[in-house]
Amino acid sequence: GESVGLHLPTLSVQEGDNSIINCAYSNSASDYFIWYKQESGKGPQFIIDIRSNMDKRQGQRVTVLLNKTVKHLSLQIAATQPGDSAVYFCAENLSPGGNAGNMLTFGGGTRLMVKP
Amino acid sequence: NAGVTQTPKFRILKIGQSMTLQCTQDMNHNYMYWYRQDPGMGLKLIYYSVGAGITDKGEVPNGYNVSRSTTEDFPLRLELAAPSQTSVYFCASSGNTDTQYFGPGTRLTVL
Repeated sequence: GESVGLHLPTLSVQEGDNSIINCAYSNSASDYFIWYKQESGKGPQFIIDIRSNMDKRQGQRVTVLLNKTVKHLSLQIAATQPGDSAVYFCAENLSPGGNAGNMLTFGGGTRLMVKP
Repeated sequence: NAGVTQTPKFRILKIGQSMTLQCTQDMNHNYMYWYRQDPGMGLKLIYYSVGAGITDKGEVPNGYNVSRSTTEDFPLRLELAAPSQTSVYFCASSGNTDTQYFGPGTRLTVL
């Protein structure tokens, strides 16, 4: 079936470097994507989202890029800090605007480790 | 606002026991969800609700039941606990936007 997945299970970066976390999706009908950050022992925390009518969206130190041609999503974190160490999940909305609410399909997650 | 709260934080059950995982949100969100997260994996949707009195199955509903008598509360019931239900359970809610806000989770072990 169609699913959301991630290329790299673990990413290790030096403090201060930029991080790029990738995600591939296969459901061409999805029009909304979210990145979540999950720290150990906590629930997922919303980072940034993007709709399919955009190819780039920026937040504070984070940027999400969407390439619909190759069905690829990436999260860029600028000047990575130790507090960024966590597991990052991408998710797609299976029922955008439908009666089923806002059901999300999550990828398997990428662990980001920041070395001081 | 407290956001989404879940109780208990931890629980150990014996096979065949039952329990209810509580979830409450104070954001007046219509949509609520229950997910399970197995070690090293992403989240899988168990049940969801689009409003009080309305619930529906997600991807992995077997072995669980839910109810939604109020906007605020969305309890998840395990009737006959099985080792396969050992997991971390997250409740989430969303309002008019697509963004889901998650609770801190309940870590359940079935022995």
